[in-house]
Amino acid sequence: QKEVEQDPGPLSVPEGAIVSLNCTYSNSAFQYFMWYRQYSRKGPELLMYTYSSGNKEDGRFTAQVDKSSKYISLFIRDSQPSDSATYLCAMKFDHQGGKLIFGQGTELSVKP
Amino acid sequence: DAGVIQSPRHEVTEMGQEVTLRCKPISGHDYLFWYRQTMMRGLELLIYFNNNVPIDDSGMPEDRFSAKMPNASFSTLKIQPSEPRDSAVYFCASSFSTGNQPQHFGDGTRLSIL
Repeated sequence: QKEVEQDPGPLSVPEGAIVSLNCTYSNSAFQYFMWYRQYSRKGPELLMYTYSSGNKEDGRFTAQVDKSSKYISLFIRDSQPSDSATYLCAMKFDHQGGKLIFGQGTELSVKP
Repeated sequence: DAGVIQSPRHEVTEMGQEVTLRCKPISGHDYLFWYRQTMMRGLELLIYFNNNVPIDDSGMPEDRFSAKMPNASFSTLKIQPSEPRDSAVYFCASSFSTGNQPQHFGDGTRLSIL
């Protein structure tokens, strides 16, 4: 079993839809949770960074962490064609720089 | 500011050849990471350095892979001899060590071993 599981998709939605992306993990020692966005033929870029359970909002994006269920989510409101990309969850054990464990990534396509 | 710079962007070579991938991290960053991305396995950490010292190389698949960081502004990942199963996109990333600083990724080297 992988430490971090993520449905690879692809996921296709119409413009304006609410998108829900999810990851589950097995190791309860993970403390810090991230979402990265990766456009085609580019490197991943950080979207959201959260610590502990709860919600964090940034514009159209909301990251949610449920440590009791070992489950994290990313919600995108009013999705745009420019949101079409692969979204990767990532997590790490401690606050210092160091090893990230990534999910497989979910490919999202937002149709105009 | 310049981001993480990787070279070459694309590399096509025959199996058995030596391959060298290069990375220039963002100035001032003290962590450097090498990742490999494939459709089957996703993004996997191969090795990372802190202040030019290798910290964790447990992700390096086998002895054919080696990585060096001779100074704070340059790192290499070498595969010798290369095999078709090494075909993947290789990313370099760098970050500051403290707080919630993100890892900044380069645009990768797309490697094809024939």
